[in-house]
Amino acid sequence: QVQLVESGGGVVQPGGSLRLSCQASGFTFSNYGMHWVRQAPGSGLEWVGNIWDDGSTKHYGDSVRGRFTISRDNSKNTLDLQMSSLSVEDTAVYYCARKGGVGAYDNWFESWGLGTLVVVSS
Amino acid sequence: EIVMTQSPTTLSVSPGERATLSCRASQSVSNRLAWYQQKPGQAPRLVVYGASTRASGFPARFSGSGSGTEFTLIINSLQSEDFAVYYCQQYHNWYSFGQGTKLEI
Repeated sequence: QVQLVESGGGVVQPGGSLRLSCQASGFTFSNYGMHWVRQAPGSGLEWVGNIWDDGSTKHYGDSVRGRFTISRDNSKNTLDLQMSSLSVEDTAVYYCARKGGVGAYDNWFESWGLGTLVVVSS
Repeated sequence: EIVMTQSPTTLSVSPGERATLSCRASQSVSNRLAWYQQKPGQAPRLVVYGASTRASGFPARFSGSGSGTEFTLIINSLQSEDFAVYYCQQYHNWYSFGQGTKLEI
């Protein structure tokens, strides 16, 4: 079965950087686009960004563009999120999620990890 | 940006009854609409995609409908495990979520 396990969360000071990882298993990782979604405490869901199956294309939400970078290693079945210039508004649980299917329009979020908490605080 | 608006914010229903959750898009998203269920301390879980296709693991009492800008998730014969927050999400033009509907007893 599909399993996604995030890691790397923790406490970081404003202006700092942090790298999150997502280990995927149970499916052919290289066939699927992947997403990062975050949820601030007590709030709703916000799409952070995505990366295509081959890593060739990446897109980001307006609130993180220019500060966050998504990458993947298909040989290791890992997805990363490099975060820099962090602010208190970036405090959230960060989830990785797998695209619904391999078709171009299968863009729902089929499977989610358990999430990793990032706290930006001085 | 497509804005998704869910109503009501909170829905109080008794077990065994029907719950009707609504989601409106600020512009047409065709049928590219998904619903997710989230319980406290857990990750979201896909319930419906393509506006009306049930995800695996969800029984037939979960039913999604709609297209364009108006969508509905109906849960019949509510069970205790159904009480959660439900989010709609469009994936027609990038990705955006509604603010959620809390389904409570």
